[in-house]
Amino acid sequence: GGIITQTPKFLIGQEGQKLTLKCQQNFNHDTMYWYRQDSGKGLRLIYYSITENDLQKGDLSEGYDASREKKSSFSLTVTSAQKNEMAVFLCASSSGLGAIQDTQYFGPGTRLLVL
Amino acid sequence: GQQVQQSPASLVLQEGENAELQCNFSTSLNSMQWFYQRPGGSLVSLFYNPSGTKQSGRLTSTTVIKERRSSLHISSSQTTDSGTYLCAMNNYAQGLTFGLGTRVSVFP
Repeated sequence: GGIITQTPKFLIGQEGQKLTLKCQQNFNHDTMYWYRQDSGKGLRLIYYSITENDLQKGDLSEGYDASREKKSSFSLTVTSAQKNEMAVFLCASSSGLGAIQDTQYFGPGTRLLVL
Repeated sequence: GQQVQQSPASLVLQEGENAELQCNFSTSLNSMQWFYQRPGGSLVSLFYNPSGTKQSGRLTSTTVIKERRSSLHISSSQTTDSGTYLCAMNNYAQGLTFGLGTRVSVFP
């Protein structure tokens, strides 16, 4: 088995700030993902990465940067936090190239609130 | 429009009742997963079910790919089953496309 760790658990920022969320996995999975979950809108893909130093944009990449520094870690940066923004950011990983056929495992999430 | 439609949006059960949750996809898909999420909790994968029927304890998932639908059956519900059930499809692109979920509340 393995585990996905996300830090911080809660993040409170101010409008215009650059905020960074971190994700670590010890599954030795190739592919990692960042999703955003908003009430009433479901989960949406922001970025994913199929290997170290690879980055692929999802449907919601505008306003975000990502970094896959090493196989086990995947960071997400909110480039300019929007006032009253409130969402949960979920990191996931799966094995294999492309991960089309594979189960995705999720972390506990980072809860963002922008004042 | 929404590519993944889940129904019902919410469900209230008395402990011991059975329930069936539906997931319909508007496009062709390669595979799909069912997840469970407690309020404020992370997603737990219940089934990775590209086709056919899979069972795990009191949960049964049935996917009919050519009809673009999947169902999740909960038998003899328990209060600990309360939470949100999400289905998601993988349609040859990276990442999953999620439905909005079915919120299940089970009362004793």
